[in-house]
Amino acid sequence: NAGVTQTPKFRILKIGQSMTLQCTQDMNHNYMYWYRQDPGMGLKLIYYSVGAGITDKGEVPNGYNVSRSTTEDFPLRLELAAPSQTSVYFCASSLSGTGREKLFFGSGTQLSVL
Amino acid sequence: GESVGLHLPTLSVQEGDNSIINCAYSNSASDYFIWYKQESGKGPQFIIDIRSNMDKRQGQRVTVLLNKTVKHLSLQIAATQPGDSAVYFCAEKGTSYDKVIFGPGTSLSVIP
Repeated sequence: NAGVTQTPKFRILKIGQSMTLQCTQDMNHNYMYWYRQDPGMGLKLIYYSVGAGITDKGEVPNGYNVSRSTTEDFPLRLELAAPSQTSVYFCASSLSGTGREKLFFGSGTQLSVL
Repeated sequence: GESVGLHLPTLSVQEGDNSIINCAYSNSASDYFIWYKQESGKGPQFIIDIRSNMDKRQGQRVTVLLNKTVKHLSLQIAATQPGDSAVYFCAEKGTSYDKVIFGPGTSLSVIP
């Protein structure tokens, strides 16, 4: 059971470039989330989804977009990368209903924008 | 606005001692609290949770205490081991919203 898988693990972007961070889970979880973690800081919620076709903004959505066409996949898109988006990005998933607060995290994507 | 914060950013303890990690929250509507452990280079992992209708919950070597009066929760680790070295996050959630909000984290270092 792979759990939550994120790709790539590391990426360096130039200012203004775009990229998609991939996230897939094989636990049939309805809820999926994207967080960013700046050095020495906690996790900030970017976007989340409660099911296929449904997405909603979190605490820091500006500069990002998401889609949820399937239960398994929840890609995060950066359209015009900026140095402020240098961070570690974590994807997570959880069950719906009771137990949805217990998040399962991927191993993260370390992104640098130079 | 919502916020979850920690009193101490770093904590060093001797192996075998007990550790106490504290967390303050400000949203009175939060009714569910979770502790996560993040080891270096990995994503956070669930440790233990507690609902607001409880004031204490015990797991294996870990205990979470909730004081709703002062909006404070703590994570106690008994007989701390080197493998407990990590960053610990508290997180909160309310029944009226789906978002899980994380605090800034405490780095725990275990001295052999």
